[in-house]
Amino acid sequence: GAGVSQSPSNKVTEKGKDVELRCDPISGHTALYWYRQSLGQGLEFLIYFQGNSAPDKSGLPSDRFSAERTGGSVSTLTIQRTQQEDSAVYLCASSLMVGGGQFFGPGTRLTVL
Amino acid sequence: KNEVEQSPQNLTAQEGEFITINCSYSVGISALHWLQQHPGGGIVSLFMLSSGKKKHGRLIATINIQEKHSSLHITASHPRDSAVYICAVPPGGGADGLTFGKGTHLIIQP
Repeated sequence: GAGVSQSPSNKVTEKGKDVELRCDPISGHTALYWYRQSLGQGLEFLIYFQGNSAPDKSGLPSDRFSAERTGGSVSTLTIQRTQQEDSAVYLCASSLMVGGGQFFGPGTRLTVL
Repeated sequence: KNEVEQSPQNLTAQEGEFITINCSYSVGISALHWLQQHPGGGIVSLFMLSSGKKKHGRLIATINIQEKHSSLHITASHPRDSAVYICAVPPGGGADGLTFGKGTHLIIQP
C-alpha cells in the first residue's frame, strides 16, 4: 500500500484479556516504531525495530507489552492481561532508514473496559 | 533524555493571521520533526529538518541547532489549519524513537 496501515482501527476489550495490534509499514522501510497516545499523557515511544536487529524495547511500560516483527515487515504489538490504563491510541510509524522521516499509520484506538 | 518544550500550549487566532509555534529541546539532535494532528484524526508528518529552513505551501519550519530551538510558522492561516501541532526529537543518548512535545492546540476562527 501507499502508506502505513494498522488494524484494527478500533478495539474494545475487557480487562484481563489479551489483544494484538497489527502494523503494516511502507514497503521497503527498514525501521518500524510503535508509539502510544494516551489521554492526558501525550505521545510516548514504546518500541523500535531496525531491520533484523534486536528491537529497542526501552519504552515498553511493563512486561505485559511485547512486539515482534516478522520477516522485517509486518509488526504485531501484543498486550497481555489488559488494564484500563492501557486504553489509548497505539500508533505505528515506519521510516526508510534509521533517523529518517517517519510516516505514521492511522492508529488503533484501544478501549479496555 | 531529551526534554521538549512547546509554546504556546493553546493558540486562537483569526483567519489570515501569521502563526508561530515554538519548540525548544535540551539535547543536541540530528533532526527535528513537526507533526500535525486534526481532531479525531491521525498524525501527519509535516517536516523533518536538521538545519535552516523548509517551506511547504503556507507552512515554514526553521531550526537553530546551536540554540536548540525550532519554529513552525503558518502564513495566511485558515480554519482548516486548526489542529494540534507537535514537535518531536530523538531522545538522545543513542536511543531511537521520538520524544514528543505536549503539542500546541491551534484554533483559527473565520
